[in-house]
Amino acid sequence: GQNIDQPTEMTATEGAIVQINCTYQTSGFNGLFWYQQHAGEAPTFLSYNVLDGLEEKGRFSSFLSRSKGYSYLLLKELQMKDSASYLCAAVDSNYQLIWGAGTKLIIKP
Amino acid sequence: NAGVTQTPKFRILKIGQSMTLQCTQDMNHNYMYWYRQDPGMGLKLIYYSVGAGITDKGEVPNGYNVSRSTTEDFPLRLELAAPSQTSVYFCASSWKGRDNNEQFFGPGTRLTVL
Repeated sequence: GQNIDQPTEMTATEGAIVQINCTYQTSGFNGLFWYQQHAGEAPTFLSYNVLDGLEEKGRFSSFLSRSKGYSYLLLKELQMKDSASYLCAAVDSNYQLIWGAGTKLIIKP
Repeated sequence: NAGVTQTPKFRILKIGQSMTLQCTQDMNHNYMYWYRQDPGMGLKLIYYSVGAGITDKGEVPNGYNVSRSTTEDFPLRLELAAPSQTSVYFCASSWKGRDNNEQFFGPGTRLTVL
């Protein structure tokens, strides 16, 4: 079957760095997305990786290892507004997105 | 551009009632999707469409129907509502179904079936 695993909840301190991990098992693989979802709102796009390596975009970076079925989202210089759920989604062989349950990130002052 | 819009924002249904969730996008995207999101769970694909007149089932299609008569609109129909359909429903669209097919989401419809 197809499966995405990510931690349910993480806590970090304002100004610090946090890494959110995601492992995936899909029938075929055509890339991996990270989305941010604030409580009561719609998901919004953060990043997309299809090749191995690190993609950096401001305070956010995303890493992919296709051979290990593994990705992480790295958030630097955490701000209170980063408190949200972070959704990992892998693209399968039919180009459908398989979504993880999301990681709720709590930022403490 | 309004992006993806959904109506209504909230709705309470009684068991056995029917309703249509509306979704419209003004980005000329060819792909459109309906998801449901239960508390603490990931998004589950209900139906999707690759263009006007073409729809296909996703992971959890039972109890729902869709149509796509225009590029812009992709309504989701619930027939004979059941408590198990209590959820948040998101409509999304993307330019193409391959490569970086970033999906743009509407604000969601929060449905309660009592």
